[in-house]
Amino acid sequence: AQSVTQPDIHITVSEGASLELRCNYSYGATPYLFWYVQSPGQGLQLLLKYFSGDTLVQGIKGFEAEFKRSQSSFNLRKPSVHWSDAAEYFCVHNAGNMLTFGGGTRLMVKP
Amino acid sequence: DTGVSQDPRHKITKRGQNVTFRCDPISEHNRLYWYRQTLGQGPEFLTYFQNEAQLEKSRLLSDRFSAERPKGSFSTLEIQRTEQGDSAMYLCASGQGGNQPQHFGDGTRLSIL
Repeated sequence: AQSVTQPDIHITVSEGASLELRCNYSYGATPYLFWYVQSPGQGLQLLLKYFSGDTLVQGIKGFEAEFKRSQSSFNLRKPSVHWSDAAEYFCVHNAGNMLTFGGGTRLMVKP
Repeated sequence: DTGVSQDPRHKITKRGQNVTFRCDPISEHNRLYWYRQTLGQGPEFLTYFQNEAQLEKSRLLSDRFSAERPKGSFSTLEIQRTEQGDSAMYLCASGQGGNQPQHFGDGTRLSIL
């Protein structure tokens, strides 16, 4: 079945440390992929999107993601995490008519 | 652009009651989507509209659920005879379809007593 997998349910990093959140997909054609962030009790905010072309995409808040077809991955990265980045992060596949979400990774930031 | 607006933000009701949620999309978006998110999970697709036409419904949308978008602007999602399992966050999103991102509201949290 086509799906999006986020292997890490929880991740804790120290403020100022680098971050990488993993995402794997299982779609045959070039997928349309997004990363969204959700703060507690809030809706979802788009961080970045990948359609085609350059495999490294830049997003808001200093985030970037790299699409690697050979590894079926679309990992999210940030060089230096801020306390305000603590939230739930979702890797998402866009099938045109609907979004399919991964299970999410909850990021906690230690002072 | 005032974003996607959902009302109410929270709804507490007794099992068996009917509830209705409203979503106002971004005005220039012709597509409107409903998702359900249970605790600790990612959102799951329920249904979507293009203008006033409901084009797709998930198997999650049982007969007790009905969604409308009568004039192609705001949408309502009604749940009849609510059950404990309906407790969730109901998220609305709007967009322009295709490969374009969807923009989400803050959701309506439903709690069934």
